[in-house]
Amino acid sequence: DAKTTQPNSMESNEEEPVHLPCNHSTISGTDYIHWYRQLPSQGPEYVIHGLTSNVNNRMASLAIAEDRKSSTLILHRATLRDAAVYYCILSRVYNNNDMRFGAGTRLTVKP
Amino acid sequence: SQTIHQWPATLVQPVGSPLSLECTVEGTSNPNLYWYRQAAGRGLQLLFYSVGIGQISSEVPQNLSASRPQDRQFILSSKKLLLSDSGFYLCAWRRTGSEQYFGPGTRLTVT
Repeated sequence: DAKTTQPNSMESNEEEPVHLPCNHSTISGTDYIHWYRQLPSQGPEYVIHGLTSNVNNRMASLAIAEDRKSSTLILHRATLRDAAVYYCILSRVYNNNDMRFGAGTRLTVKP
Repeated sequence: SQTIHQWPATLVQPVGSPLSLECTVEGTSNPNLYWYRQAAGRGLQLLFYSVGIGQISSEVPQNLSASRPQDRQFILSSKKLLLSDSGFYLCAWRRTGSEQYFGPGTRLTVT
């Protein structure tokens, strides 16, 4: 399975944008880039996913590099409720069992 | 809309006792189903996944087992719990190639 690399932790101030990076240099053409987040004492929550083009939804934006070897999850205005562990995962289109959660990035939001 | 249920929410069991955790999904048919475990302060470990009734794939050999008696029901069991079985157990569902959705989890403490 293709691997992702994320910083262990990041800090942000409330109301400011947050850019969470993810490197995936061995990504294949059929790998989707997924982002999930896990709030304390809860299961992971789907945030966004994409293949080649940048994606936007009500929670966040996903910016994908042209060579697809890296991506960035963008939270446009961080709130205290965005404090969580953020996971970047590659998942192949026709694969059923490749959703593997690594250590992720622990985001701290300061008031 | 789809919902996923897990019960119980918390469980305290003595070493050597049996275990049965249940997960049900509503609002979809023939989902892929997953059991994950998260030890305290650690990442998620995929334990089992199922692509259909009676079809179970094990990711990690251990004293746990899984069954899928109905399309939208997934059960995690053990005949004799170990201290190392303590953790946060999460059930999830997805369609192949799509995003994954998690249940609220069961926090198991083995004493």
